[in-house]
Amino acid sequence: AQSVTQPDIHITVSEGASLELRCNYSYGATPYLFWYVQSPGQGLQLLLKYFSGDTLVQGIKGFEAEFKRSQSSFNLRKPSVHWSDAAEYFCAVAPLGGGNKLTFGTGTQLKVEL
Amino acid sequence: GAVVSQHPSRVICKSGTSVKIECRSLDFQATTMFWYRQFPKKSLMLMATSNEGSKATYEQGVEKDKFLINHASLTLSTLTVTSAHPEDSSFYICSARDATSGRENTQYFGPGTRLTVL
Repeated sequence: AQSVTQPDIHITVSEGASLELRCNYSYGATPYLFWYVQSPGQGLQLLLKYFSGDTLVQGIKGFEAEFKRSQSSFNLRKPSVHWSDAAEYFCAVAPLGGGNKLTFGTGTQLKVEL
Repeated sequence: GAVVSQHPSRVICKSGTSVKIECRSLDFQATTMFWYRQFPKKSLMLMATSNEGSKATYEQGVEKDKFLINHASLTLSTLTVTSAHPEDSSFYICSARDATSGRENTQYFGPGTRLTVL
């Protein structure tokens, strides 16, 4: 069965510092990969997604993620964090070709220090 | 584009009553919608997959008679929590899969509904 691991439950960074959130997946084949962000009491907003092609994908709000097949990873990065980026971040995978049932990681809570 | 709404955003009800939550795709058609439940400080748990015009598919362990799902149109799915009990209190989130060519593999999420059962 597929699984998604986000090893960091909490991360604290200073505003203006760079950020990397880790995501590893276990799947029989390369799945579709997603990063979502959730602010407190809110739904999830899609940051970016990878289906195929260029392994470095750009998303909204200045985020990017790099797919590394050899490491089964899809880490999320941002060069300079803003205080408004404080939120919960979820990595998710879906199988190729249909069904589209998302499997989520456990989430990483990002705190930004001013 | 790809906006999903949920109504209500927050509901408080007495134990034993039923609560209906609506999920609407506002600017696209959604042949498939999904219902999730999220516990505090936890990830999302898929409850069921709702397909327009057919019966929903429930995940293992989810009581279909307790969580009634109806997907009557391409823009609306409803989740009814029947005979609600305090343990049903949770944050319920829906998502919709855009049927538009090129976007059909992406789910767009609603803002969630906070259910509190007294």
